[in-house]
Amino acid sequence: GAVVSQHPSWVICKSGTSVKIECRSLDFQATTMFWYRQFPKQSLMLMATSNEGSKATYEQGVEKDKFLINHASLTLSTLTVTSAHPEDSSFYICSARGGQGAYRSIGANVLTFGAGSRLTVL
Amino acid sequence: AQSVTQPDIHITVSEGASLELRCNYSYGATPYLFWYVQSPGQGLQLLLKYFSGDTLVQGIKGFEAEFKRSQSSFNLRKPSVHWSDAAEYFCAVGVATSYDKVIFGPGTSLSVIP
Repeated sequence: GAVVSQHPSWVICKSGTSVKIECRSLDFQATTMFWYRQFPKQSLMLMATSNEGSKATYEQGVEKDKFLINHASLTLSTLTVTSAHPEDSSFYICSARGGQGAYRSIGANVLTFGAGSRLTVL
Repeated sequence: AQSVTQPDIHITVSEGASLELRCNYSYGATPYLFWYVQSPGQGLQLLLKYFSGDTLVQGIKGFEAEFKRSQSSFNLRKPSVHWSDAAEYFCAVGVATSYDKVIFGPGTSLSVIP
């Protein structure tokens, strides 16, 4: 079945530094990837939609200069948290949807989720 | 605007008992509906989905859900709960924008008493 890998699964950084999180589709080409943020014991909040080869579409209230998203290939999207602060500490989860070729394996409109990346900013 | 509500924040059931988790959605067109499960510190696993057709949907791990358009509901059920079912459950609706993004409900935390 479809697999999405996130790396790193856990990262601790100092305030003011930047952190990059990778999201890879391992066995299918992901034309669209989504980045979510989840605070403890809360739901997933969609941050942005990432399309291969084009600029990401950010949800209202999400700072695009703070959370840089790059979808440079059909199997990789990255989220960079720039100048991280303690309030950026959260669980970040990516999901991916395949293109035409992946429909038979993952089904139309079905997202495959990564295991998440926990960011702690000291 | 599209939205999903899950009225129960937390539910506790005894092992072997039946389970029903409630979900209501607000969406102008025929929705794509999903139930996901999340174990602590983990990503999400799809339990089942509804796109069209039969309104009673069977999923993995013995779960099923019924789509009721008149009630705008998509409740999740399981006839006999196992201790390993303890987790966070999210109902979600797929939004038919150009990118088909998915909006999640607030989640219901399930505890299972042995």
